[in-house]
Amino acid sequence: KAGVTQTPRYLIKTRGQQVTLSCSPISGHRSVSWYQQTPGQGLQFLFEYFSETQRNKGNFPGRFSGRQFSNSRSEMNVSTLELGDSALYLCASSLVSRGKKTQYFGPGTRLLVL
Amino acid sequence: AQKITQTQPGMFVQEKEAVTLDCTYDTSDPSYGLFWYKQPSSGEMIFLIYQGSYDQQNATEGRYSLNFQKARKSANLVISASQLGDSAMYFCAMREEGGSEKLVFGKGTKLTVNP
Repeated sequence: KAGVTQTPRYLIKTRGQQVTLSCSPISGHRSVSWYQQTPGQGLQFLFEYFSETQRNKGNFPGRFSGRQFSNSRSEMNVSTLELGDSALYLCASSLVSRGKKTQYFGPGTRLLVL
Repeated sequence: AQKITQTQPGMFVQEKEAVTLDCTYDTSDPSYGLFWYKQPSSGEMIFLIYQGSYDQQNATEGRYSLNFQKARKSANLVISASQLGDSAMYFCAMREEGGSEKLVFGKGTKLTVNP
């Protein structure tokens, strides 16, 4: 089974621009979560989508938004980019394996804002 | 509020020896799951092991085992027979089993395996 995929892998933007990141979960998974990882703040939860509905949201400004499509693929959008948005953005989908529900992550998208 | 604490910013171990990475957690929810992930310099988060709060046995996955002490709220990762490829950041995380998949992560421990 293919793992979680994320595109693009690397991205360079300038302040004020917007960016869209994509995540395709493991086939059959309906839950996708997004995380931001920075050296200063560590790993922080952005939001979670399940069956096209946002189920949970972290403490991020409204510039960060997301959505999920009927095939479970998810996108996150960051508008009016700031230097502090430079980070590794990770998405994860959930898998039930041997009766346990675990989360598997994609390779991440490294965003650099100049 | 959920909280994960990893008190070891860095750890060193000799190849082929065992190492324990510490993790303590705080939650008021009786039902939760604990995870360990490995993150090499490439950035990908690799799932290692999972422990449910109601699991009677400590979880094991190959060379990885989780020393779960519920009363002390600790979930330490034990890596046996360390290999050079084990050098990476290791993160402990928790999920409260209330329906959401949200994970709360610790700050991580950087493990270096010396030859």
